[in-house]
Amino acid sequence: GAVVSQHPSWVICKSGTSVKIECRSLDFQATTMFWYRQFPKQSLMLMATSNEGSKATYEQGVEKDKFLINHASLTLSTLTVTSAHPEDSSFYICSARALAGVADTQYFGPGTRLTVL
Amino acid sequence: QKEVEQNSGPLSVPEGAIASLNCTYSDRGSQSFFWYRQYSGKSPELIMFIYSNGDKEDGRFTAQLNKASQYVSLLIRDSQPSDSATYLCAVNRDGQNFVFGPGTRLSVLP
Repeated sequence: GAVVSQHPSWVICKSGTSVKIECRSLDFQATTMFWYRQFPKQSLMLMATSNEGSKATYEQGVEKDKFLINHASLTLSTLTVTSAHPEDSSFYICSARALAGVADTQYFGPGTRLTVL
Repeated sequence: QKEVEQNSGPLSVPEGAIASLNCTYSDRGSQSFFWYRQYSGKSPELIMFIYSNGDKEDGRFTAQLNKASQYVSLLIRDSQPSDSATYLCAVNRDGQNFVFGPGTRLSVLP
């Protein structure tokens, strides 16, 4: 299956700082990547859809100026949480779109656990 | 009506039994259907996908799709404690928009 990596796997930062999370598709090219956030014991929440070479599409209620997404190449998308606050502490997961046989599907990265002090 | 619905559970089954997980969706134009497994504290992993009506088997897992009823299910035979996880149903409408259900928590009791 397709492999997606994320870096870092966990990060602790002070309130007010910015944190960058990288998402890479290791063995395939991904024209579309997705960013999700998941709070403990809650469902996945789609934050934005990122298409290579164009601006990301954000879901309603997600601040695009706070969560900066860059998809500069077919194998790399980054999410920067700017001026992070404790309420931004969450599990951030990216996924990349790829073909699995004839079905268009998503493969998830391992996630990044962000803790803002 | 939510786009993809699942019973949140927990669904408890004894070890060795068949676990049956259900999912309904609202958009009749949906084309592909996926089941993901998510262990606590981990990201989802793809178990299988289905896009034609009927059954699709992969090892102990069988996905069933009924487009007329807008229903997709996942059967897990010979359930093991290691199958205890949250199972997410996802629907792909047009190659771009994936919609995930809230997940069903499965607990397999030894």
